Amino acid sequence: DGGITQSPKYLFRKEGQNVTLSCEQNLNHDAMYWYRQDPGQGLRLIYYSQIVNDFQKGDIAEGYSVSREKKESFPLTVTSAQKNPTAFYLCASSMGRVNTEAFFGQGTRLTVV
Amino acid sequence: DAKTTQPNSMESNEEEPVHLPCNHSTISGTDYIHWYRQLPSQGPEYVIHGLTSNVNNRMASLAIAEDRKSSTLILHRATLRDAAVYYCILRALGGTASKLTFGTGTRLQVTL
Repeated sequence: DGGITQSPKYLFRKEGQNVTLSCEQNLNHDAMYWYRQDPGQGLRLIYYSQIVNDFQKGDIAEGYSVSREKKESFPLTVTSAQKNPTAFYLCASSMGRVNTEAFFGQGTRLTVV
Repeated sequence: DAKTTQPNSMESNEEEPVHLPCNHSTISGTDYIHWYRQLPSQGPEYVIHGLTSNVNNRMASLAIAEDRKSSTLILHRATLRDAAVYYCILRALGGTASKLTFGTGTRLQVTL
């Protein structure tokens, strides 16, 4: 079935370590997105990519990095520079046109101890 | 980017209609209005979108004001499964056409 997959669902890391979150889609979508959600809060945009080998910073890009080497994949690295990395991370994809819907993964809950 | 304003929370009784408002007074002529909802511990899911005319689908209806400065998501008969956070967002044409920015949404509580 077509869809968007995030892995793992839960992730634990020690403070100071970089960690990479996976996001894969088989919907042939051009655009992909990463969001962060803190408890009781809305979604905040970290990075987004409209096409392969191109991406733009969102509203809270500091301490994060991404790559878009393949259309299907948009991994997010949470670096040690991110001061409060513990959060729920969501990946989404869409055709990129304004009149199309976006599809979301089930999220990765990252806990840094 | 044009912003949206929604009430923080709303309550409804089961099997009654629910009208979720959204204000977007700075909307431009080419902005699409989208609605998503997020159930607890899940990713958001698409509900509906529109440009100028009212829209209906199996999940909900979208009523757009004539001046497009506000819109209302209508759930015709709320069920307990409709309890979620509902987000109203605008998608703009232009250089950042695929940017997708969420606000804080409206938390809908549905009671028996």
